Amino acid sequence: DTAVSQTPKYLVTQMGNDKSIKCEQNLGHDTMYWYKQDSKKFLKIMFSYNNKELIINETVPNRFSPKSPDKAHLNLHINSLELGDSAVYFCASSQGQGAYHNQPQHFGDGTRLSIL
Amino acid sequence: GEDVEQSLFLSVREGDSSVINCTYTDSSSTYLYWYKQEPGAGLQLLTYIFSNMDMKQDQRLTVLLNKKDKHLSLRIADTQTGDSAIYFCAEIFSGGYNKLIFGAGTRLAVHP
Repeated sequence: DTAVSQTPKYLVTQMGNDKSIKCEQNLGHDTMYWYKQDSKKFLKIMFSYNNKELIINETVPNRFSPKSPDKAHLNLHINSLELGDSAVYFCASSQGQGAYHNQPQHFGDGTRLSIL
Repeated sequence: GEDVEQSLFLSVREGDSSVINCTYTDSSSTYLYWYKQEPGAGLQLLTYIFSNMDMKQDQRLTVLLNKKDKHLSLRIADTQTGDSAIYFCAEIFSGGYNKLIFGAGTRLAVHP
């Protein structure tokens, strides 16, 4: 039933490890996003894909690599995890294609990543 | 520039109205949004307003937009304890790609 679902909900791992977060949406949307929410609750966009094509890539370390196998999925792989990567990562999706669509974004419940 | 500002805290008594304020900088922004985040949960889209509107009402929620002052507000009538959450204001970056620029969030605490 969940429109935008992320797995896992919680991820606790050690510094230096590589981990992935998965996201799936069943809304038939064309665009998907990854946002990072830090400990102060500040939200910032990281990436956006439209129909499997990367359209937003903010200033994010290249240890973060998004992958979109199809338009319903956008996964986030993180290499060599650092303490500063601890945050909540949100996936979102929206209808509409192209650079100037303004459709509302619907968010998943987030993945809480803690680096030990 | 891209900047959205909100006051960080608001405390209201149950049954009163809450007004959460937001200012934004991008005058070309076409849509402005309000999202709600309950503790440990994701972001729930509450409502949004198109920039050519002054007001939008949806049950207990009223959104007011003053485009001249770049000021957006969310009024919650008859505030309930279940309304306690963080409320985020967000604007669409006018440069395209449906990029949301979020404020820091306003923590609403509702007390008896």
